[in-house]
Amino acid sequence: EVQLVESGGGLVKPGGSLRLSCAASGFIFSTYSMNWVRQAPGKGLEWVSSISSSNSYIYYADSVKGRFTISRDNAKNSLYLQMNSLRAEDTAVYYCARGKVATIYDAFDMWGQGTMVTVSS
Amino acid sequence: SYVLTQPPSVSVAPGQTARITCGGNNIGSKSVHWYQQKPGQAPVLVVYDDSDRPSGIPERFSGSNSGNTATLTISRVEAGDEADYSCQVWDSTSDHRDYVFGTGTKVTVL
Repeated sequence: EVQLVESGGGLVKPGGSLRLSCAASGFIFSTYSMNWVRQAPGKGLEWVSSISSSNSYIYYADSVKGRFTISRDNAKNSLYLQMNSLRAEDTAVYYCARGKVATIYDAFDMWGQGTMVTVSS
Repeated sequence: SYVLTQPPSVSVAPGQTARITCGGNNIGSKSVHWYQQKPGQAPVLVVYDDSDRPSGIPERFSGSNSGNTATLTISRVEAGDEADYSCQVWDSTSDHRDYVFGTGTKVTVL
């Protein structure tokens, strides 16, 4: 079965760190770009970061630039998001999503179920 | 940064046609993708590259894009189409590259 499964969410204090993981299965992970998208409670979708299939291109939203780091391990079929200096406004469900192609510009054709990150003291 | 504007809500009776707009500066020059999201679930891609449908998406879902407005059309609306719908584009310029999502539209089936 083709699927994406996120993990690593939880409750963290402001200024803290968290590492999210996304395990991919059922497709050739190394041939697709990958993305993180978040959704704050009751709000719309917000793009966070993208990484091309071979790590050649990485992009971040201005809201997380300098604090978050996206990475992937094609040998382990896994995507990661290292989140540092977390703020209350980072509270959201974080989704892992597959890009339709290897490079970064196309739609997201598969999504995980999401992992909740809550930043609160 | 690039902004995509959607109406907060659209209401439609079963069997009728729902049209959801996505406004952006010269959006007709970009490829627009549409996602459906039901409560408590992850988004699902329903239209990509303005008007293409992924496999498994009913033909009732169609899209168009021209000028400053892209439109997702849902024909013969069913109760199961009640959901939030968001548009998305890839915005690439000389000084930034970002994915942008629209503000989202809640479709209510009367």
